[in-house]
Amino acid sequence: QKEVEQNSGPLSVPEGAIASLNCTYSDRGSQSFFWYRQYSGKSPELIMFIYSNGDKEDGRFTAQLNKASQYVSLLIRDSQPSDSATYLCAVLSGGYNKLIFGAGTRLAVHP
Amino acid sequence: DAGVIQSPRHEVTEMGQEVTLRCKPISGHNSLFWYRQTMMRGLELLIYFNNNVPIDDSGMPEDRFSAKMPNASFSTLKIQPSEPRDSAVYFCASTPSDTNTGELFFGEGSRLTVL
Repeated sequence: QKEVEQNSGPLSVPEGAIASLNCTYSDRGSQSFFWYRQYSGKSPELIMFIYSNGDKEDGRFTAQLNKASQYVSLLIRDSQPSDSATYLCAVLSGGYNKLIFGAGTRLAVHP
Repeated sequence: DAGVIQSPRHEVTEMGQEVTLRCKPISGHNSLFWYRQTMMRGLELLIYFNNNVPIDDSGMPEDRFSAKMPNASFSTLKIQPSEPRDSAVYFCASTPSDTNTGELFFGEGSRLTVL
């Protein structure tokens, strides 16, 4: 079992809809979780982090964490074509900011 | 400020040749990471350094891979001999290690093709 699992997609949603991206992790002791966005041909960039159970909102993005279920999600409201990218879920694993990434979910927002 | 700088951006080589990828981290960042990205396996952590010292190289696939960080501003990832299955995008990332923010700053990557 991989440490961090994501559905590879593609997830296709119409413009203006809510996109829901999901991630599960295997280490029950994990405490910190991150969402990175990667445009095609570019490098990953951090867009959200969440440490506590529940929801965390930042603009159109909401991260959700359920440690009991070992489940992290990212909701994107009012999806735009510019949100089309691969979204990588990551878990902090040890010190020095060591991150383990999932394989990513490709999101396509069509007009 | 300059970001993480990687070179070369693209490398095409033949099986059996030596490949050296280079990385200059952001000044003041004392943790450096090498990741490899493929469609099949996603973004895999190969090795990371803190204050120029290798901390964890358990992700290095085999002895053909080696990495060094001779000083705070330079790191190399070497593959010798290279094989077609090494074809991937190799990312270098850096971060300050004094706070566990989880924010890695990635370079633009080196796309390696081994024929």
